[in-house]
This record gives sequence, C-alpha cells and structure tokens, in this order.
Amino acid sequence: DGGITQSPKYLFRKEGQNVTLSCEQNLNHDAMYWYRQDPGQGLRLIYYSQIVNDFQKGDIAEGYSVSREKKESFPLTVTSAQKNPTAFYLCASSITGVSNQPQHFGDGTRLSIL
Amino acid sequence: GQQVMQIPQYQHVQEGEDFTTYCNSSTTLSNIQWYKQRPGGHPVFLIQLVKSGEVKKQKRLTFQFGEAKKNSSLHITATQTTDVGTYFCALGSSNTGKLIFGQGTTLQVKP
Repeated sequence: DGGITQSPKYLFRKEGQNVTLSCEQNLNHDAMYWYRQDPGQGLRLIYYSQIVNDFQKGDIAEGYSVSREKKESFPLTVTSAQKNPTAFYLCASSITGVSNQPQHFGDGTRLSIL
Repeated sequence: GQQVMQIPQYQHVQEGEDFTTYCNSSTTLSNIQWYKQRPGGHPVFLIQLVKSGEVKKQKRLTFQFGEAKKNSSLHITATQTTDVGTYFCALGSSNTGKLIFGQGTTLQVKP
C-alpha cells in the first residue's frame, strides 16, 4: 500500500534539545515538503525538496534543518534555535515539484515542549 | 508577495443546510487546489481547478474558479455530519512552483 509514513506520532522536546521527525514515502515521488500547522491556522511551508540532494527554504525555515539523501526520505530536525516548536508537523509529497501536482500528506507528528 | 484570504474562518450549520467557503488571491493564479482535513487528521486533496471560469462537481460539492483566476469557491449542498472538517484552498503560482495554503474554513454540522 503506497503512502507517506511519519514518525513518531507524538514527540516531546526538552529545552535545548534537537529532535528529528521522520518522513518516508514509497510513492516514487520526486518532491517532498514539510509544513507546520498551529491550532486554527493554515499550513506554513518550512522546507521543500524537488529532487534528491537538493532542498530549498520555505516561509518559516529558521530553527529547522532538513536533508534529502534518498528519494524516499526527507527528515526534519527541529533545532534548539526554534523557540516555539509546539505544533503539528505535516510531511507531504508530490510527483514533481510544480504547483499543479496534488500533494499527498502523512498523518503528522505532534511536537510539544516538556 | 502572494497573499491568500479564505473566508469565513468558521461556519456552523444545521445538517441539511448549504455551506460555502471563499478563497481570494492578490495575484492571478495558474491553478487552485482544495483540500479537506478531518478533525485530528491530515489534509486530503479534493480537486484542482485550472481554467478561467471552471466549475467542477463532486457529488454535493461544487468548486468554481473565477473568471479572472483570482478567486475560487467551494459550495456544499445539503451538508451532512460527514462534511465536518477544515477546508483549505491552496494557490499555485507559476513563478515559484510552490503551493500557498489559505487559513482554512472549519465547518461544524449540527445533526
């Protein structure tokens, strides 16, 4: 069954700690995206990758980092520099990185501060 | 930069009533997509509109793209409790290739 898998579902971060959110897809999609969603808000783009070994900053990249070493995987690290990390994080993918392609989303990771 | 406004932010309706959400862009769009997010879930792609004045239907849902390709609407006829969720428009820009999501309209349906 093809899809996007995000893990963990819930994550707690201590002050000064970096945490990494996993996103894996088996849809053979070239493009992958990370969004942040705050309560009652829309989705804001953190980083996106149109192809392996390449990625670009989105609208709110500060305090986050990514890598795209494999087509299937696009992990997001929330660094200690992100002072307000509590949010719902959604990973998505699309066939290509053009805006006329539908995006497929994972189930998300809820990150909270301890 | 490109801005998107989606209204209303919330809508409570009685089951059987109609519902409409509107999406407006500050710039001309190459395309617009609509997504639905159930409570506690993730956004799911519903449809994409590309042509000026385009109208598409999915059962009780009707999607319209404005003639100037700067606005769009989603109309649900005779709402059901299964329609509960947040509906997002997502704007496509030929300049950047990215999608810009609206703030969403959260629909509550009272049985």
